[in-house]
Amino acid sequence: SYELTQPLSLSVALGHTARISCGGDNIGSRNVHWYQQKPGQAPVLVIYRDNNRPSGIPERFSGSTSGNTATLIISRAQVGDEADYYCQVWDSSVLFGAGTKLTVL
Amino acid sequence: EVQLVESGGGLVQPGGSLRLSCAASRFSFKNYWMSWVRQAPGKGLEWVANIKQDGSEKQYVDSVKGRFTISRDNAKNSLYLEMYSLRVEDTAVYYCARDDGYHFAYWGQGALVTVSS
Repeated sequence: SYELTQPLSLSVALGHTARISCGGDNIGSRNVHWYQQKPGQAPVLVIYRDNNRPSGIPERFSGSTSGNTATLIISRAQVGDEADYYCQVWDSSVLFGAGTKLTVL
Repeated sequence: EVQLVESGGGLVQPGGSLRLSCAASRFSFKNYWMSWVRQAPGKGLEWVANIKQDGSEKQYVDSVKGRFTISRDNAKNSLYLEMYSLRVEDTAVYYCARDDGYHFAYWGQGALVTVSS
């Protein structure tokens, strides 16, 4: 079965760029979606189909995919970006990565 | 703004049953696949089940097959999840979510299901 691999945690300095990876076999050939989840809240879609932002999501959020890695890129990281981030693909059914906890220092 | 509101969560003993509901509003419910996604305490997201617009197709994660049933009532703009033979490991917040093309742009606030003796 298909698997998605995310780092458990990532730290980024305030104002710097965070890159959260999501690994999977030839994931570049799939549509990858990203969600942000803050404590006690429902997930929020921040990137869909690799690099598309829903309305209301800041331009600081972007995505890329290549080969076996998809990446969520958060530019000029803010304290408010601290959250868990999940990648998601479709592989006969919905599949989520295990999530990455982002800390902004 | 699209609204999804879950209800029906609560405490249930192992082996018991529970029915979750999700009331949808401010969009044409009958035109969308819908899903249930759950999150165990301190854990990640796990997709549970989905259902086609007219209810003719359903999918389940292996761990709930034969125990959970997803259904919908388009006349009532409502999504349901009937859960039987509940296990401790089914304890989670259950979210309903609208499928916008193999991704979820809208989520409910979640309903907590606790399976414990």
